[in-house]
Amino acid sequence: SAVISQKPSRDICQRGTSLTIQCQVDSQVTMMFWYRQQPGQSLTLIATANQGSEATYESGFVIDKFPISRPNLTFSTLTVSNMSPEDSSIYLCSVKGGNIAGELFFGEGSRLTVL
Amino acid sequence: GQQLNQSPQSMFIQEGEDVSMNCTSSSIFNTWLWYKQDPGEGPVLLIALYKAGELTSNGRLTAQFGITRKDSFLNISASIPSDVGIYFCAGRTRGDQGAQKLVFGQGTRLTINP
Repeated sequence: SAVISQKPSRDICQRGTSLTIQCQVDSQVTMMFWYRQQPGQSLTLIATANQGSEATYESGFVIDKFPISRPNLTFSTLTVSNMSPEDSSIYLCSVKGGNIAGELFFGEGSRLTVL
Repeated sequence: GQQLNQSPQSMFIQEGEDVSMNCTSSSIFNTWLWYKQDPGEGPVLLIALYKAGELTSNGRLTAQFGITRKDSFLNISASIPSDVGIYFCAGRTRGDQGAQKLVFGQGTRLTINP
């Protein structure tokens, strides 16, 4: 089964700054998914990151705010730009496969608090 | 867009009791999934359902895919302390770009009194 490592696991950030979250998978995967989980809320898909092409963003999320890189088949980054307190969330990286019927595996998440 | 209504939002039970939670939607889903999230962790898949009417068990957990394809339930029998956590239902649909994506319910927070 896939092992997903995210960095940082948590951070406290100042308003107006940007933070890049890294996601490393121990196997090659075609698609990597970035989710946001706001405090006490459910998970919402931000974008799908495909190696060698631009990420595809869901409604309400834009590349300028959440730029994504996917340089190879085992790594991706999500940047949260020009942060405000409303961006305080857990950001989760996920990939398919390695478990029941190839459903999503999630990393442990990166908990961001914006002051 | 599609939304899943998950209930109850929270449950406080005694160890050994059975638990039941469900998700409903006004939209049809072709796949229903149930995840559990422990504090500080990402969600972990518990059960996946792929056919209307399907009833699947995983140890003390049992889940069903509703006949209408608009709902699903999860039961936990004889709860134990390690069952504490947040349980999410998820339905698979197509995202704005046409690719398949998961829509998650709001979660059910389970607390167990020993």
